[in-house]
Amino acid sequence: DIQMTQSPASLSASLGETVTIQCRASEDIYSGLAWYQQKPGKSPQLLIYGASSLQDGVPSRFSGSGSGTQYSLKISSMQTEDEGVYFCQQGLKYPLTFGSGTKLEIK
Amino acid sequence: QVTLKESGPGILQPSQTLSLTCTFSGFSLSTYGMGVGWIRQPSGKGLEWLANIWWDDDKYYNPSLKNRLTISKDTSNNQAFLKITNVDTADTATYYCAVTTRVSFDYWGQGVMVTVSS
Repeated sequence: DIQMTQSPASLSASLGETVTIQCRASEDIYSGLAWYQQKPGKSPQLLIYGASSLQDGVPSRFSGSGSGTQYSLKISSMQTEDEGVYFCQQGLKYPLTFGSGTKLEIK
Repeated sequence: QVTLKESGPGILQPSQTLSLTCTFSGFSLSTYGMGVGWIRQPSGKGLEWLANIWWDDDKYYNPSLKNRLTISKDTSNNQAFLKITNVDTADTATYYCAVTTRVSFDYWGQGVMVTVSS
């Protein structure tokens, strides 16, 4: 199975701050990576697919980058509504696997 | 507009079979390239992928659940199903269905909570 390692496990950011979350795959996943946001009591929502493509309706302050085994999600200007848990997921090989999540809070 | 909604028994006893239904709208599982997946999340924990079914009836399962899973679909009624046999307390979780067209899960249902308890 491809293991997905996310970091950090949690972080707090000030309004307007740039935030970066990392995700490392145990082998090359050829940009087959997605990012999700989950707010308390809600289902996950797709933010980024194919490592860097923005899902329709997602604010442009979210961006994804990376290749090979290393990927990152950037929020260019932290907003209150960005609080939540963020997960990465590889879609290259079955079984599909998720990172353990990063909890993002407002400082 | 794509919507999905999961339904299930709520609570069941160890060793029973869990049957889940995903009722969706806004897409067809008979359309080329469309798929539905099931993912679960124990309270306060991470996400675990369970199974995918595709428009051509191709199916994929998480081997960590061995042979306990069966995924199926009813394209005429816009539904997908998941059965998990021989449940135990470790299967207590919120279960989600989601539509997929590529490597990601594009839209998710609201989830259904399932508790396994004697």
